[in-house]
Amino acid sequence: SAVISQKPSRDICQRGTSLTIQCQVDSQVTMMFWYRQQPGQSLTLIATANQGSEATYESGFVIDKFPISRPNLTFSTLTVSNMSPEDSSIYLCSVETRGGPSDTQYFGPGTRLTVL
Amino acid sequence: AQKITQTQPGMFVQEKEAVTLDCTYDTSDPSYGLFWYKQPSSGEMIFLIYQGSYDQQNATEGRYSLNFQKARKSANLVISASQLGDSAMYFCAMRGSNAGKSTFGDGTTLTVKP
Repeated sequence: SAVISQKPSRDICQRGTSLTIQCQVDSQVTMMFWYRQQPGQSLTLIATANQGSEATYESGFVIDKFPISRPNLTFSTLTVSNMSPEDSSIYLCSVETRGGPSDTQYFGPGTRLTVL
Repeated sequence: AQKITQTQPGMFVQEKEAVTLDCTYDTSDPSYGLFWYKQPSSGEMIFLIYQGSYDQQNATEGRYSLNFQKARKSANLVISASQLGDSAMYFCAMRGSNAGKSTFGDGTTLTVKP
């Protein structure tokens, strides 16, 4: 398993500003993911954070809006840029340690973002 | 493409009784994994149980068991002896050979009544 921490745990932000969310893992992991969960909904994958290269974004998500960094095998950041109230969500960092269909994804505690 | 269907938006169960949360899936991958997660109101996603597509026996973890019926493509979660702390949203998820991507269902909100 992996122990994952996220900062901040919650924030209230003004429209038009940006917020950077940090994800720290207690061990080196192969893959890190960022998810968004809008109120009352399921998880939506934003992107896969690749160590040493650009993130791989899912359809509907772009780098200008959600820039991601992954400088090493234990750390990643997600920035939510030029925020609007529609960005109010829980943002979850997730990791896998080995890869493959049998590998469990573990999640951080989430960042609860409210945009006014 | 993979798809997970959870048909029960909300479920109620009396404390100390058992409850089954439904999950059906669709995939063309011969090798895949099925997972259940619990999400309390705090928002964290807690891993509960895993079932591999080639596993012969149903997975069990304490009060959680997975009723895996491969021919029917179903992977229902059974919670025995429900507790008030089991009240949460439950997500069924699947991973195939497409490395890294999990597919999640829409979730089922479980409420345990005292």
